[in-house]
Amino acid sequence: GQNIDQPTEMTATEGAIVQINCTYQTSGFNGLFWYQQHAGEAPTFLSYNVLDGLEEKGRFSSFLSRSKGYSYLLLKELQMKDSASYLCAPKGRYSTLTFGKGTMLLVSP
Amino acid sequence: DSGVTQTPKHLITATGQRVTLRCSPRSGDLSVYWYQQSLDQGLQFLIQYYNGEERAKGNILERFSAQQFPDLHSELNLSSLELGDSALYFCASSLTSGRGDEQFFGPGTRLTVL
Repeated sequence: GQNIDQPTEMTATEGAIVQINCTYQTSGFNGLFWYQQHAGEAPTFLSYNVLDGLEEKGRFSSFLSRSKGYSYLLLKELQMKDSASYLCAPKGRYSTLTFGKGTMLLVSP
Repeated sequence: DSGVTQTPKHLITATGQRVTLRCSPRSGDLSVYWYQQSLDQGLQFLIQYYNGEERAKGNILERFSAQQFPDLHSELNLSSLELGDSALYFCASSLTSGRGDEQFFGPGTRLTVL
């Protein structure tokens, strides 16, 4: 089975930096995805890590440590539109994703 | 716009009924996934098809079934509906089922069972 743990909610202010942590236990590991989901909308892809280390993509970066079963998503220069749910999803066998319940991020002015 | 289309957008029906949700993957994608998202459960993987064949099964109830047709579109059939089946149903597609293939999600079908 797979267990994924993320904080339920986080708050931050516009322009700040926030780090959303994710720990996971999975049988079979083929990388880890982060998705963003606004309420009532489809999840959209943010990042993918398969090797240990940091992947940077504009204002978003994601880190993976396979030995620790740990990942984080770093969001810089926060904007109001970043208020959304952030889903950590390790990939198991056959490319199936298991999603955590997500971290609801609220960005305030 | 992800390129994945789902119909209908909204569906309201009664307990005991049967409905069919339809998904067309992005052009060229061979793999289709179905997910259920309810308020308290988050996104739950239901089933995956790859090039017409069932590839993986998640938490899919026996009352639910799916198939992928030769043109690669997929349908999810939900029968003997219960109140608890009310949820957002997402379809996603990816090029293959390879390790790095990101999944692109459709806009979802919101099912309400009354």
